[in-house]
Amino acid sequence: QMHLQESGARQVKPSETLSLTCRVSTGSISDDYWTWVRQPPGKGLEWIGHMYDSETTKLNPSLMNRLTMSLDTSKGQFSLKLRSLSAADTAVYYCALLRGSGSYYWFDSWGLGTLVTVSS
Amino acid sequence: DIQMTQSPSSLSAVVGDRVTISCRASQPITNYLNWYQQKPGKAPKVVIYGASTLQSGVPSRFSGSGSGTDFTLTISSLQPEDFATYYCQQSHSTHFTFGGGTRVEIK
Repeated sequence: QMHLQESGARQVKPSETLSLTCRVSTGSISDDYWTWVRQPPGKGLEWIGHMYDSETTKLNPSLMNRLTMSLDTSKGQFSLKLRSLSAADTAVYYCALLRGSGSYYWFDSWGLGTLVTVSS
Repeated sequence: DIQMTQSPSSLSAVVGDRVTISCRASQPITNYLNWYQQKPGKAPKVVIYGASTLQSGVPSRFSGSGSGTDFTLTISSLQPEDFATYYCQQSHSTHFTFGGGTRVEIK
């Protein structure tokens, strides 16, 4: 069974950049879609973006001006960078596999999540 | 973006109750609708995908229905482990969106 693990800074100052990495236990991230979802404390889920390769990336329009996603197939991991942070970006950040069957896709094999707090 | 609206936002029920949660999309999404269960401090897990397909390993008391803009998640006989928050999510548009969630609490 696949396991995903997020890593990165948990406390970031306003206006700085958040960098998170998700390591996939199988070591193989080719031929799959990889995604990030976040959840502010006590609130609902927000899709951040997903990526298949450098040419196949979809980003949440509300974040795309500040967001970069990347894959490192040699290390079996993928990453997120979110710039110009504010308190509104405080959330639990999850990485997950976007699993598909035919034309149907859903979030599967979630990481445990990492709480990122934006505060000075 | 497609907006997803769930109702109710919370409900109280007892073990054995039949529970129904609704989800409405702001435009037709055929059957590209998923349901997730999330317990406190845990990541969500999918229970239904494609509006009505039960994810492997999920008990058969869970069922999903609907198409177009209106969808329903039903738990036929609520069990103690089912108390959680449930989210719908559309995958019709590649800009995925979630409903606001429905919290199922113990009465």
